[in-house]
Amino acid sequence: GAGVSQSPRYKVAKRGQDVALRCDPISGHVSLFWYQQALGQGPEFLTYFQNEAQLDKSGLPSDRFFAERPEGSVSTLKIQRTQQEDSAVYLCASSLGSGGKYEQYFGPGTRLTVT
Amino acid sequence: LAKTTQPISMDSYEGQEVNITCSHNNIATNDYITWYQQFPSQGPRFIIQGYKTKVTNEVASLFIPADRKSSTLSLPRVSLSDTAVYYCLVTFTGGGNKLTFGTGTQLKVEL
Repeated sequence: GAGVSQSPRYKVAKRGQDVALRCDPISGHVSLFWYQQALGQGPEFLTYFQNEAQLDKSGLPSDRFFAERPEGSVSTLKIQRTQQEDSAVYLCASSLGSGGKYEQYFGPGTRLTVT
Repeated sequence: LAKTTQPISMDSYEGQEVNITCSHNNIATNDYITWYQQFPSQGPRFIIQGYKTKVTNEVASLFIPADRKSSTLSLPRVSLSDTAVYYCLVTFTGGGNKLTFGTGTQLKVEL
């Protein structure tokens, strides 16, 4: 694939439901990031993987949020017992290496609406 | 990481040059200055990155003075399709570089 893909593009969940958001990074990209973007705001960091290792999860807002990348490629962000404040666009990005010199390539995002 | 400050919005007309200035007073020695662009319903897209002086690519130029406390993104001859939010970021050269976005500058280009 040419870029980062995310699925689903849109997700509506009832409060209390669990959701799973998928990210397919660019092949060969070592680093993978998840961000959350509220309406009218810039993206905010959630978590970071280098290959399969989750090296930084400092941005996850609560223990209801969980991310994994078991084989160092595809990643899943899971949100348990969704709340209305979880409504946002969830963006995935990948980069060839770690460090600020490496450009991050973003997917189109998954828009989550919790009703 | 150094905090960045940039205008909330700017308006321009097609064919004009647009300069967006960002201040980052507390930038550290190992930090780069990076700009991303975001269209509605899309993820951000990398535009340009620099450390000092001037960097130019096919899309934009980035001017960084010697003290590196500010930088200016220059978009030559903008078109309607350049209407987007532009984010100025300070990025650490070390590992695990999470991006810290502010609210960005909403650029609106009109005919």
